[in-house]
Amino acid sequence: SQQGEEDPQALSIQEGENATMNCSYKTSINNLQWYRQNSGRGLVHLILIRSNEREKHSGRLRVTLDTSKKSSSLLITASRAADTASYFCLQLPSGGYQKVTFGTGTKLQVIP
Amino acid sequence: EADIYQTPRYLVIGTGKKITLECSQTMGHDKMYWYQQDPGMELHLIHYSYGVNSTEKGDLSSESTVSRIRTEHFPLTLESARPSHTSQYLCASSEDGGRYNEQFFGPGTRLTVL
Repeated sequence: SQQGEEDPQALSIQEGENATMNCSYKTSINNLQWYRQNSGRGLVHLILIRSNEREKHSGRLRVTLDTSKKSSSLLITASRAADTASYFCLQLPSGGYQKVTFGTGTKLQVIP
Repeated sequence: EADIYQTPRYLVIGTGKKITLECSQTMGHDKMYWYQQDPGMELHLIHYSYGVNSTEKGDLSSESTVSRIRTEHFPLTLESARPSHTSQYLCASSEDGGRYNEQFFGPGTRLTVL
């Protein structure tokens, strides 16, 4: 299977704490993207990091990419109850092959 | 307003029925995708399309079929629904090139086959 692995599978934290989730993948990538899904609905794109980038920020989000380890992490700082959702990484393979692969997802619960 | 739409949002049907899940986008995107999401959350790519008259199977084998006769429309059909098809189906689209294939998702169709 090409499915990427995410860990942890579930994470419960207090509001104000930081949340970190990790994504590992198997093939070389063009870019890796993070998405959020609320209550079993459609996914919303959060941030994209290209294979030649190591770190990227967007508001309270920080994404890192280690291509040697084939892994990425998403850090959400100063979490809020509204951050409660499932988070998925998506890998866009390199070489022009467009069959994308989602990670297994992390369920984040932020307790007010 | 540019968006991606899926209908119906919820569908409960009996075994053996033929169903079509609709997906339309108004963003002019060339690439479109169908994902199946298990109750346990994992998303699996079941079909994708590069453009009109292009369809490819994804990683997860599916008994469904798709068509892409118009850029904006990417319907998914099950000829004979079975309880094993019960799942959430998510449609997405992305630009060809440009913004590195950020995907825009519809709200999903939750299918229950009795």
